[in-house]
Amino acid sequence: LAKTTQPISMDSYEGQEVNITCSHNNIATNDYITWYQQFPSQGPRFIIQGYKTKVTNEVASLFIPADRKSSTLSLPRVSLSDTAVYYCLVGAGVDSSYKLIFGSGTRLLVRP
Amino acid sequence: DAGVIQSPRHEVTEMGQEVTLRCKPISGHNSLFWYRQTMMRGLELLIYFNNNVPIDDSGMPEDRFSAKMPNASFSTLKIQPSEPRDSAVYFCASSLVGGLRGGNTEAFFGQGTRLTVV
Repeated sequence: LAKTTQPISMDSYEGQEVNITCSHNNIATNDYITWYQQFPSQGPRFIIQGYKTKVTNEVASLFIPADRKSSTLSLPRVSLSDTAVYYCLVGAGVDSSYKLIFGSGTRLLVRP
Repeated sequence: DAGVIQSPRHEVTEMGQEVTLRCKPISGHNSLFWYRQTMMRGLELLIYFNNNVPIDDSGMPEDRFSAKMPNASFSTLKIQPSEPRDSAVYFCASSLVGGLRGGNTEAFFGQGTRLTVV
């Protein structure tokens, strides 16, 4: 499984755009990039997934450069409720050997 | 669907006692994961089932831990005997792997069981 590296923590203010970058230099051809969000006392929650270029949904955008060795989760106009831990995962989910491995994540603190 | 259901939500037990955590995955999902989360070690994958068969249990800390999935709608994680260092939040998650969607299929997590061993 490709190892991921992300910042331990980030601070932001309400209304700002937050970009969290994840490095995954050993990503394999079949691997997808997935981001999860975890609030205190809750289980992680899927945010977004991509393979290449850009993916956008109602919550976030995911930017993946051509070499796919990194990815950036972009949260537009964050609010206090976006304070959470964000995890970047890399792997392939097309067969029974797939398993979700979480790293340390990035602890995002949004201030008023 | 009610999502992944875990029980109990909280468990306090004495050292040496047997503890059983329960999980009901989302109907139709074919993969189930058990995780343990602590401040020190983060979110650790303990065991992973696919179609009710344990695929990888390399994360199970020791023989005191065991997990079963007798059918597609139920799984248990048992600790016997329990120790104070087992205190953690235990999460169960399920997903549909290898589905038509492809890629990393979204995993859904339960609310967790907070275990305290005194």
